Amino acid sequence: QSALTQPASVSGSPGQSITISCTGTSTDVGGYNYVSWYQQHPGKAPKVMIFDVSNRPSGVSRRFSGSKSGNTASLTISGLQAEDEADYHCSSYTFSNSFVFGTGTKVTVL
Amino acid sequence: QVQLQESGPGLVKPSQTLSLTCTVSGGSINSDSYYWSWIRQPAGTGLEWIGRIHASGSTIYNPSLKSRVNISKDTSKNQFSLKVDSVTAADTAVYFCARNGAAFDIWGQGTMVTVSP
Repeated sequence: QSALTQPASVSGSPGQSITISCTGTSTDVGGYNYVSWYQQHPGKAPKVMIFDVSNRPSGVSRRFSGSKSGNTASLTISGLQAEDEADYHCSSYTFSNSFVFGTGTKVTVL
Repeated sequence: QVQLQESGPGLVKPSQTLSLTCTVSGGSINSDSYYWSWIRQPAGTGLEWIGRIHASGSTIYNPSLKSRVNISKDTSKNQFSLKVDSVTAADTAVYFCARNGAAFDIWGQGTMVTVSP
């Protein structure tokens, strides 16, 4: 199974909004509402920010939101803050009852 | 709260078997509500899902690794384990164990495994 496609990097100034895309196929992103997003700071384990396309776990800031259209899911970070600078990974359930991750996106706060 | 901790050798020789264990504390791996997964991350790249095990003992693996991977559990120790056969340099990575509910919601800190002679 091929990794989901994410932009290598996205940047924005404090207070701005940015969107990270995650493109798959009809056998993963497009076929199921089981897309999740993870934030990973250097040397740390990933932390779930969004699950089931658009749901936020308890304790995650409302500045993080998720959506999906067709085979592409998106993570939007509004009111960008310095602490949001990290790597972000998407993940999707697949038709083979397995999971696939994205290529990862480095977010830089200018 | 539930915590996960990986353990195992940090160095494995090519063609040998990589073996790691994840110890779960603060919760039971026998819970029907969750699967328990292994995920790895080569340096500077993205995450790769390896496979998962359920309380029932059923397992599912990444199709690209299925022929070399085995995940098992030891209920008495509240642990689950990963074995990867015939390793090469391409298996060098940080290996994470994670609880798998609606998402991978709890992760271990990760353990670095290097495949080298």
